[in-house]
Amino acid sequence: EPEVTQTPSHQVTQMGQEVILRCVPISNHLYFYWYRQILGQKVEFLVSFYNNEISEKSEIFDDQFSVERPDGSNFTLKIRSTKLEDSAMYFCASSGEGNEQYFGPGTRLTVT
Amino acid sequence: AQRVTQPEKLLSVFKGAPVELKCNYSYSGSPELFWYVQYSRQRLQLLLRHISRESIKGFTADLNKGETSFHLKKPFAQEEDSAMYYCALSESGRAQKLVFGQGTRLTINP
Repeated sequence: EPEVTQTPSHQVTQMGQEVILRCVPISNHLYFYWYRQILGQKVEFLVSFYNNEISEKSEIFDDQFSVERPDGSNFTLKIRSTKLEDSAMYFCASSGEGNEQYFGPGTRLTVT
Repeated sequence: AQRVTQPEKLLSVFKGAPVELKCNYSYSGSPELFWYVQYSRQRLQLLLRHISRESIKGFTADLNKGETSFHLKKPFAQEEDSAMYYCALSESGRAQKLVFGQGTRLTINP
C-alpha cells in the first residue's frame, strides 16, 4: 500500500539556521499539507498546496516558512531562520479526490 | 471559528469493557468529522469518518449535530486498541484543512 514518506526522521539545528523538511506524497495525490505538533499540544495546520500554489495557510505560516514542489515527487517545507519555538514534530499529508488525508511518519525538528 | 474538544487527555479501561472517547466540536457550517489513531511509534492513520458510517476495528462514531458531538465507541475493548486517538474536523469539500482536538491516550489494561 502506498505511503507518504518524510526525511529526515529527526533534524537538529541551531537557532537562526535554515532547515528543509522533505516529503514524498502518495504518487497520484494532488493535494498536499503540512501540520506540526509541539510537544504536548494539538496537531496544528500550517499550509495546504495544490497545483503548485498555496491553497490555504494558517497564522503560524509566516514569512519564515515556504513550501515548494521542486519536482514531480517531492514536497518541501523550508524554515528560513529557525527559532526555539519551531521545535516540533512536522507532519506531511496528502490527499486525492476525496477528503481523506494520509499522513507521513513525521520529522522531529529540534532547534537548539 | 472551528474548534474540537476532547475532554479526556487520558482514558484507561479494562480489556473487554466498553470504551467511549468523547469529542465535541464548534463549527457554524456543515462539517466533516474524523477520528484518527496513532499507535505507538506509528503514523497518524484515519480510523473513521462520519460520512462513511463504517465500523472499523469494532469502533463506531455517530455525528450528533444537536449536541455537536462525535463520540467514538467500542463495546468490548482489546489490548491492541491502546493508542492515541484524535478527533478532527474539516469543512465539507475537497482538500480542506483538518482541525484537531488535543487527543486522548487510551490504555487498555489486561
